[in-house]
Amino acid sequence: GESVGLHLPTLSVQEGDNSIINCAYSNSASDYFIWYKQESGKGPQFIIDIRSNMDKRQGQRVTVLLNKTVKHLSLQIAATQPGDSAVYFCAEKLGGNQFYFGTGTSLTVIP
Amino acid sequence: EPEVTQTPSHQVTQMGQEVILRCVPISNHLYFYWYRQILGQKVEFLVSFYNNEISEKSEIFDDRFSVERPDGSNFTLKIRSTKLEDSAMYFCASSALAGETQYFGPGTRLLVL
Repeated sequence: GESVGLHLPTLSVQEGDNSIINCAYSNSASDYFIWYKQESGKGPQFIIDIRSNMDKRQGQRVTVLLNKTVKHLSLQIAATQPGDSAVYFCAEKLGGNQFYFGTGTSLTVIP
Repeated sequence: EPEVTQTPSHQVTQMGQEVILRCVPISNHLYFYWYRQILGQKVEFLVSFYNNEISEKSEIFDDRFSVERPDGSNFTLKIRSTKLEDSAMYFCASSALAGETQYFGPGTRLLVL
C-alpha cells in the first residue's frame, strides 16, 4: 500500500503559540491531500485540503504547505488554542477515490 | 451544517455473528465510503460506493463484507461471520464528487467477543 507517515507522533505547544505538524508522503503522483483532525471518540473532521498544483493554501488560523520536491506536507495552526488538542492526520489520494491516511500526530495544547 | 450520521454508536457481538452498521450520508452526496480504524492505528480504507455499485475496495474488504444502499438515505456495511480482528471503529464518509473531500461520520465502535 501507499505510505503516508508523520514525522512526530506527539507534539506539545503552549497556548497561543503556533503549531506545525508535518507529514511525508511516498507517491509523487498523489494529486490531492487533506488534513483531518480527530478528537477522542469522534470521526475525522476536515480541516483543509490542497491539490498538487498548489504550494500553499490558507484557511482560518490554518495553513497547509505542500513541497512536492521532497514530498512533504505541513499543517500550521496559528495561535493554538486548547480546543485544537487532537490527533491530526494527513491523507493523500492517488487517483480513484481512496485516501491513504497517516498514523497521526497527537497535538497537546498546554494552557 | 449537514453531517454524516451513524448508528449504532457502539455494537458488541459474538464471534461468528453478523452485524449491520448503518450510515446516513450527507443528503446531496453521491459517493459513499467505509473506513475502519483499529485502536491506536491509522484509518484504513475499506470500500467506496457509487451509483449502487462498489467502485473500489481494499484487501480488508473480503467476502464477509458487503455494502448496500437500501433506500435513498441509508448506506449500510454488513459483516458476516465476524472475527475478533474485526473489532475496530468503523467510519462512514461521503463526498459530493469523486475524489473530492470526504466528510466522516462519528463512527461505530464494534467489539467482537
